[in-house]
Amino acid sequence: NAGVTQTPKFRILKIGQSMTLQCTQDMNHNYMYWYRQDPGMGLKLIYYSVGAGITDKGEVPNGYNVSRSTTEDFPLRLELAAPSQTSVYFCASSSTGRPGSPLHFGNGTRLTVT
Amino acid sequence: QKEVEQDPGPLSVPEGAIVSLNCTYSNSAFQYFMWYRQYSRKGPELLMYTYSSGNKEDGRFTAQVDKSSKYISLFIRDSQPSDSATYLCAMSARPENYGQNFVFGPGTRLSVLP
Repeated sequence: NAGVTQTPKFRILKIGQSMTLQCTQDMNHNYMYWYRQDPGMGLKLIYYSVGAGITDKGEVPNGYNVSRSTTEDFPLRLELAAPSQTSVYFCASSSTGRPGSPLHFGNGTRLTVT
Repeated sequence: QKEVEQDPGPLSVPEGAIVSLNCTYSNSAFQYFMWYRQYSRKGPELLMYTYSSGNKEDGRFTAQVDKSSKYISLFIRDSQPSDSATYLCAMSARPENYGQNFVFGPGTRLSVLP
């Protein structure tokens, strides 16, 4: 059982380049999320989706875009990478939107922008 | 003032010790409280969930919420080297688990020494 799979695990980008972080889940979860984790800071929500075709901004959406064409996939697009986007990115999913419903996280993508 | 604060650690204890991990928060509307455990180079995983005030026990782990003091704790009894991880508290004011309702603390890094 794969759960939430993120690719790539690591990436180095030059300033101004673009890339897509891939996320796929095999649990048939409707809710999916993208977070970034920076040292000394809590996980910050970038975008989330409550179902295929529905996405919305989180706390820190600037510089990112998402799409949700299927239940399984929720890619995150970085356009014009900046050093401030150096971070660890986590994709997560949950079966419901209730607090006791656990978020299932992938193992992250470590991105460096130089 | 950050909305949710945690002592970043690292906290080092000998095997078998009782560990107390704490979070303070400023938003009195929070009523759903969670603890996530994150091993190095992995995504977080849900450890405990508590609604409102009181205690909840699960094996060696006890979650405690004191809403009057805006303070939550996670106690680990008979700590093991396998408990070495970063512990994130998370909380929400609303019964929806998604969007900007869900706030994570920055995490406390724990090392349990054999």
